[in-house]
Amino acid sequence: GQQLNQSPQSMFIQEGEDVSMNCTSSSIFNTWLWYKQDPGEGPVLLIALYKAGELTSNGRLTAQFGITRKDSFLNISASIPSDVGIYFCAGWPMNSGGSNYKLTFGKGTLLTVNP
Amino acid sequence: DVKVTQSSRYLVKRTGEKVFLECVQDMDHENMFWYRQDPGLGLRLIYFSYDVKMKEKGDIPEGYSVSREKKERFSLILESASTNQTSMYLCASSFPWRGYLNTEAFFGQGTRLTVV
Repeated sequence: GQQLNQSPQSMFIQEGEDVSMNCTSSSIFNTWLWYKQDPGEGPVLLIALYKAGELTSNGRLTAQFGITRKDSFLNISASIPSDVGIYFCAGWPMNSGGSNYKLTFGKGTLLTVNP
Repeated sequence: DVKVTQSSRYLVKRTGEKVFLECVQDMDHENMFWYRQDPGLGLRLIYFSYDVKMKEKGDIPEGYSVSREKKERFSLILESASTNQTSMYLCASSFPWRGYLNTEAFFGQGTRLTVV
């Protein structure tokens, strides 16, 4: 199936630092989604991107849909302890029509923030 | 507020038992998904359904089956639970890709299943 390469796998940062993570694919995606998962909970949608080049912010979070449609990044500015969790990228591949509706996920970035 | 609700947060079952995990969504979504999540392996798709009574196998369907008799409800069934099915199970729903917006997937809170 489709693969999303998400990096880094984990990050340890100090409170107040900025964070950047990204996802890449060998194939084109129609949509990029970024989720955060707190321990023991389901993932929660942070940002959705629908157009190549789109740059969208949600508070301290900023995400971009790459021009090539094969990548996306998420930035978190001025991190705080509650930013701790796993961040997932996800996307709908270009061949998402018909009955093939498989939303594809990266393996996640585990973020730890030291107060 | 969008809602995907899984019937249990925690379950403990015995090896060989038949296990039902239930998921209900209130957003009139056509698509529903079941994933399992294990450390280091990310989210792996077990089954998904794109309409009532329609289903497709995901990446790891062995040992599982599903049922979708109503649009809002998608059940995951472990026919004979085994210890290697101990995991976090996540249900999600979405509209299908139609070339426009509003195709975000929304997740339930997860069910932590332990098979002993």
